Amino acid sequence: NAGVTQTPKFQVLKTGQSMTLQCAQDMNHEYMSWYRQDPGMGLRLIHYSVGAGITDQGEVPNGYNVSRSTTEDFPLRLLSAAPSQTSVYFCASSYLGRPEAFFGQGTRLTVV
Amino acid sequence: AQTVTQSQPEMSVQEAETVTLSCTYDTSESNYYLFWYKQPPSRQMILVIRQEAYKQQNATENRFSVNFQKAAKSFSLKISDSQLGDTAMYFCAFMKFQGAQKLVFGQGTRLTINP
Repeated sequence: NAGVTQTPKFQVLKTGQSMTLQCAQDMNHEYMSWYRQDPGMGLRLIHYSVGAGITDQGEVPNGYNVSRSTTEDFPLRLLSAAPSQTSVYFCASSYLGRPEAFFGQGTRLTVV
Repeated sequence: AQTVTQSQPEMSVQEAETVTLSCTYDTSESNYYLFWYKQPPSRQMILVIRQEAYKQQNATENRFSVNFQKAAKSFSLKISDSQLGDTAMYFCAFMKFQGAQKLVFGQGTRLTINP
């Protein structure tokens, strides 16, 4: 039981490049979400999903795309990276209706 | 919309002392959850304690306890007999009781325990 797995752990991108942050969970959780962590701002919700095929925007969705084709996976796509997207990204999952959230180890992304 | 405010960006205490981290929040919801998360240098998000708003009794977990004041919308964390391993960033967070399980986080408090 690996829990929530994020890859990669670190990434450096050039402005304008695209990439996908991977998130996988093996707990059969319906709910999955992506947060970004910036100094002095805590964690802010980017996108979330309540099940396969269902996604919605969070507080800071601009510049990010998501899809949920399976229960297990919830990738986050940056289509054209910008320096403002330099941050630490966390994926989290939980059962619907239960408050316990399980977090991945985070991805530190730097856009130069 | 809900907001969570942590007004102490940094705190520092000596080992074995007691320390209290402050958190206030704003919501129009009557039922909700409040959390304290710990983030050590490893970056892992670790749940410290959870409080259900409908429960009047303050939650406790070993050396960690909360002071939940619903009317004042205050949710402070007390760490007793602090240990070096308590050094971390601490986040207060809010979640509505029903609906999408979106967590709203405060800005964080960096706590340092000195030997």
